[in-house]
Amino acid sequence: ELKVEQNPLFLSMQEGKNYTIYCNYSTTSDRLYWYRQDPGKSLESLFVLLSNGAVKQEGRLMASLDTKARLSTLHITAAVHDLSATYFCAVDPRDDKIIFGKGTRLHILP
Amino acid sequence: DTAVSQTPKYLVTQMGNDKSIKCEQNLGHDTMYWYKQDSKKFLKIMFSYNNKELIINETVPNRFSPKSPDKAHLNLHINSLELGDSAVYFCASSRAGGVNEQFFGPGTRLTVL
Repeated sequence: ELKVEQNPLFLSMQEGKNYTIYCNYSTTSDRLYWYRQDPGKSLESLFVLLSNGAVKQEGRLMASLDTKARLSTLHITAAVHDLSATYFCAVDPRDDKIIFGKGTRLHILP
Repeated sequence: DTAVSQTPKYLVTQMGNDKSIKCEQNLGHDTMYWYKQDSKKFLKIMFSYNNKELIINETVPNRFSPKSPDKAHLNLHINSLELGDSAVYFCASSRAGGVNEQFFGPGTRLTVL
């Protein structure tokens, strides 16, 4: 069965710093999604990555997908407090259900 | 013009009761889902329907029964509620046969006393 591992699960960082969240998965897939969840809120789609080498950027967030390494990264540049949230990756194996990672709880300190 | 809506937003009930959560999407999507998010924020799929047909039915107690009257609606009925059913339940939808980017409803926070 497809397994999806995110790390770290918790991350506390200073404003202005850069950091990367990793999403590893266990079987072949070329579709991966990133979501953001604010406390007490729903999940909001951030990025849709559909091929090896795909890179998407929105503001201070950049996501990439390496299907050969079965790895996606979500990079945060010059973090600001507003980016504090839980970030989930979700892997789509096409012929089976989508599996979500456990989420990375990101806390950005002013 | 909410894309995916759920009712109720909060549900507090006693053990042993039966309750329902309703979900509607106006995105024209063919596939709808129910997820359970526990207190640790882990998100687990429960059911998925494609055009009113059940396509994913995870290992969920049979006290949980989904019903899809049409492709825009997916309701969740829970019988004989237990303490462990307390969680946030999210409905989601996506297009079928292509990119499965899912659009989530606001969630229903269920508390079983």
